[in-house]
This record gives sequence, structure tokens and C-alpha cells, in this order.
Amino acid sequence: GENVEQHPSTLSVQEGDSAVIKCTYSDSASNYFPWYKQELGKRPQLIIDIRSNVGEKKDQRIAVTLNKTAKHFSLHITETQPEDSAVYFCAAIDHTGNQFYFGTGTSLTVIP
Amino acid sequence: EPEVTQTPSHQVTQMGQEVILRCVPISNHLYFYWYRQILGQKVEFLVSFYNNEISEKSEIFDDQFSVERPDGSNFTLKIRSTKLEDSAMYFCASSGQGALNEQFFGPGTRLTVL
Repeated sequence: GENVEQHPSTLSVQEGDSAVIKCTYSDSASNYFPWYKQELGKRPQLIIDIRSNVGEKKDQRIAVTLNKTAKHFSLHITETQPEDSAVYFCAAIDHTGNQFYFGTGTSLTVIP
Repeated sequence: EPEVTQTPSHQVTQMGQEVILRCVPISNHLYFYWYRQILGQKVEFLVSFYNNEISEKSEIFDDQFSVERPDGSNFTLKIRSTKLEDSAMYFCASSGQGALNEQFFGPGTRLTVL
């Protein structure tokens, strides 16, 4: 099955700086890669996703890049704010289209 | 905005007991999922469900687990004989167009097995 690795496990940045979280996946047939934000004690919520037919997608301060050849994708948050502090999970959908594989999560702390 | 709901928010049970976790997906969604998250760890896929049958299940989803859509609104996860290691947060999710589109997560049920 798919194996998704995520790093770093923790990340601290100063407010206003950028944060980058990286994930790799193993199944070359995976074609959908969402990113979820999970605040403490709350449900995961989708913040951005990308499909394999595009290399980059941006939504205001958040962007995701995908390198299918290298099988990695990254989340970029610019101009970070304290409310960006949360755990971020990447995920990849396997070739059957029925299973999500989550990364191990990155705990992001934005220091005011 | 419609949301996935789950009940109860917290369930405490004795080892060996059966538990049923309940979910109400978003009303026009057709694809349903259960995940679990052991405290401090990643979210793990358990099962996906479509058209009244299981589409896919993970290794975690053994014979002790079952899912059901007993009516047009509820989606349940049953654990027949709970074990200590079943203690986790269980999330239900639903999607309108399948797994290649956004899945909306419920708030979770925290299961504690004593």
C-alpha cells in the first residue's frame, strides 16, 4: 500500500515568516493530495488539495507544490499568523481511489 | 453550512464490551469513511463505504469491526469486543463525490476502553 512520510514533525516560526512542510509518497499511481489542518481537540479540516495533473496550487497565503517524478509534495504558508498554529497532515489517495493515507503530522507553532 | 455530526462525543467502556459509534454524514453525500486517531498520532484509515457496502478497509478493520447504514441518515461503526488498544478518537467523514474530492470530517468520538 501507500506510504506517506512527512517532515518536520515540529516547526516553530516567527510571525510573518514562511513555513514549509514536506511529504513524500510511494505509490506512483496516487493522484490526489490533500492537506488538513487540525487544531487541538478539533476535527481535521481541508485547507488545500492538489491533483496530479497540476504542479502548483495557491489559495491566498497557502500553496501546495507537487513533483510527481520525485513523488513529493509540499505545503507553503507565507506571512504566518498565530492562528496558523496547529497540526498539519498531508495525505495521499491510493490508486484504488478508496483509501486515504495520512502523514504523521507537523505541529506548527507561530510565535507572535 | 452543513456539517458531519457524531455521537457520543466521549464513550467510556469496559474491555470486552460492544460499542456503537454514530455518525450523521452530510445529507447529500454518498461516500462515507471511518478513521481513528490514537492520541498524539496520525489519522489512520479504517473503512470506506459506498452504495451500502464496504469499498475498502484497512488492516486495522478486522472482524471485530463492522459498519452499517441502518437508515437514510446514520452511519455507524460497531466494535464487538473492545480492547484497550481501541482507545482512540474515531472520526467519521463523508464526501459528495468520492475520495478524490474533499472529505468532511465530523468532530470525533473519543473512545476510552478501561
